[in-house]
Amino acid sequence: DAKTTQPTSMDCAEGRAANLPCNHSTISGNEYVYWYRQIHSQGPQYIIHGLKNNETNEMASLIITEDRKSSTLILPHATLRDTAVYYCIVSPDNYGQNFVFGPGTRLSVLP
Amino acid sequence: EAQVTQNPRYLITVTGKKLTVTCSQNMNHEYMSWYRQDPGLGLRQIYYSMNVEVTDKGDVPEGYKVSRKEKRNFPLILESPSPNQTSLYFCASRMKGGLTRQPQHFGDGTRLSIL
Repeated sequence: DAKTTQPTSMDCAEGRAANLPCNHSTISGNEYVYWYRQIHSQGPQYIIHGLKNNETNEMASLIITEDRKSSTLILPHATLRDTAVYYCIVSPDNYGQNFVFGPGTRLSVLP
Repeated sequence: EAQVTQNPRYLITVTGKKLTVTCSQNMNHEYMSWYRQDPGLGLRQIYYSMNVEVTDKGDVPEGYKVSRKEKRNFPLILESPSPNQTSLYFCASRMKGGLTRQPQHFGDGTRLSIL
């Protein structure tokens, strides 16, 4: 499986956009990029996923570079409740596939 | 409300005393799995099940057992718990099909302390 590299921590001002980068330079053609987050010690929560096109949903936007070697999760208007650990995961779209969660990025949204 | 329910949420017990952590989902999901989370190591998969009576080892299965007799339930069994199994445990489920079609739903976690 491809590995991902994320910054250990980031800060963001409340109301501003939070841009979380992820490097996945060894991603394979059949692997998707997924983002989850974990608030405190709760169960991880799905945010968004994509293959090569940019994606947007009610929670966030996902920008994937043309060479697919990196991506950015964008929270357009961060709130204090968005403070969490954000995980970037790359994985094939197989039913039996196991997610591998790395250490993620700890995002602190500051008032 | 769609949810994955784990019990107990917290447990302190002693080495060698068998324990079971239950996991139940009400979404009719085929796929269920157990993870443990330790500081600095992220979430690691212990066991998973792709359907009733079908279970497989994940990355860290040693010291654990599971069973899948019913679709909704996937208990995690520690036959002889040891202190190195002190951890935060998560159960997850999703529907059959690729990951892109069905994101995983996680329970709220069970914090186990083995003394």
